[in-house]
Amino acid sequence: DAGVIQSPRHEVTEMGQEVTLRCKPISGHNSLFWYRQTMMRGLELLIYFNNNVPIDDSGMPEDRFSAKMPNASFSTLKIQPSEPRDSAVYFCASSLRRGTTDTQYFGPGTRLTVL
Amino acid sequence: KQEVTQIPAALSVPEGENLVLNCSFTDSAIYNLQWFRQDPGKGLTSLLLIQSSQREQTSGRLNASLDKSSGRSTLYIAASQPGDSATYLCAVGSGGGADGLTFGKGTHLIIQP
Repeated sequence: DAGVIQSPRHEVTEMGQEVTLRCKPISGHNSLFWYRQTMMRGLELLIYFNNNVPIDDSGMPEDRFSAKMPNASFSTLKIQPSEPRDSAVYFCASSLRRGTTDTQYFGPGTRLTVL
Repeated sequence: KQEVTQIPAALSVPEGENLVLNCSFTDSAIYNLQWFRQDPGKGLTSLLLIQSSQREQTSGRLNASLDKSSGRSTLYIAASQPGDSATYLCAVGSGGGADGLTFGKGTHLIIQP
């Protein structure tokens, strides 16, 4: 299995531009998570989906952030408009929900820099 | 709100030593606890997952324990090697089985050759 795939791996953009991050979860997994990692705050959960349905988006910092999962193989995280404080590494993770046992598998991350 | 703390924040030891990394969490009503490894510029690799009903899990030279009532977990690394150098993250699942994780800030580990 190829693991969780994220694109792009690096993104540099200017303040005010729209940014779209993409994630392909592991085939057969039914839960998908978006996290953000910064030096100051560490790893924080932004939103997660179960069977393509958003379950909890309370970690999404502002209305500028939105996430979609149109099918079981693809998810996007969009920031519009982007700001310098959005600079971070964004991770996507997936898992197969089986009771309370669900190891999360992480992608390599997208390093976002907003100038 | 669940909070996860890891001590120490950084650790440097000579090769061959056994070592213990600590993790504590504020809400004992957890579903599972997971230990990850993160190498510089890379994603996270899952090392061990302990269900709330379990006391410990072992994988090779790694052993993780869980004491829910006291809100603590430890990761024991036996016979450390330079290749073990990385940041180790503790994460707690507090909701249902597929809920998101709450992470500690990690322990940055350096094993000196």
